[in-house]
Amino acid sequence: SQTIHQWPATLVQPVGSPLSLECTVEGTSNPNLYWYRQAAGRGLQLLFYSVGIGQISSEVPQNLSASRPQDRQFILSSKKLLLSDSGFYLCAWSIVSYGYTFGSGTRLTVV
Amino acid sequence: ILNVEQSPQSLHVQEGDSTNFTCSFPSSNFYALHWYRWETAKSPEALFVMTLNGDEKKKGRISATLNTKEGYSYLYIKGSQPEDSATYLCASPSSGGGADGLTFGKGTHLIIQP
Repeated sequence: SQTIHQWPATLVQPVGSPLSLECTVEGTSNPNLYWYRQAAGRGLQLLFYSVGIGQISSEVPQNLSASRPQDRQFILSSKKLLLSDSGFYLCAWSIVSYGYTFGSGTRLTVV
Repeated sequence: ILNVEQSPQSLHVQEGDSTNFTCSFPSSNFYALHWYRWETAKSPEALFVMTLNGDEKKKGRISATLNTKEGYSYLYIKGSQPEDSATYLCASPSSGGGADGLTFGKGTHLIIQP
């Protein structure tokens, strides 16, 4: 069966520090992969999506970047975190047109 | 970018009562409407994916209807239980294949009071 792993569950980072959040999928090949964020008081916002290795599409300009070095690995990064990067980050995958499965999320607090 | 809206933002319901809430979305270029249930510290759980106008889907005490012509969907919960407390999200893809992700509403935060 397909599973999605996302870590860490919580993270407290100082302003200006780097960030790396990792998401891996098991039990499927060539999934579409997504990074979403929920900032305080806002809905889930799509940050990045990827339809294949090395293919990254960004939905909003921001202080973050994403990479897909392997078929089932999706990484969210920042060189220098801002206070506004705080939020709840969710990774998701889909293999068919209308099915999405989410990871358990990372609560990031930038202090 | 789609405009997906949900109302109300939050809702307190007495245990045993039935309730419903709304998701509205653009009726033009409609592809699908997703409903998710999201409990704190857990993954959003898929409830329904609806594509056809007039569609009605049911999962236990939870059901949903879809009106693509007027751009809304209702989620109903019959006989609310404390375990129904969660945030309910609706979302819609901006393209037919859905590869470019979903646009979510802000959610309806449902609290069931014993």
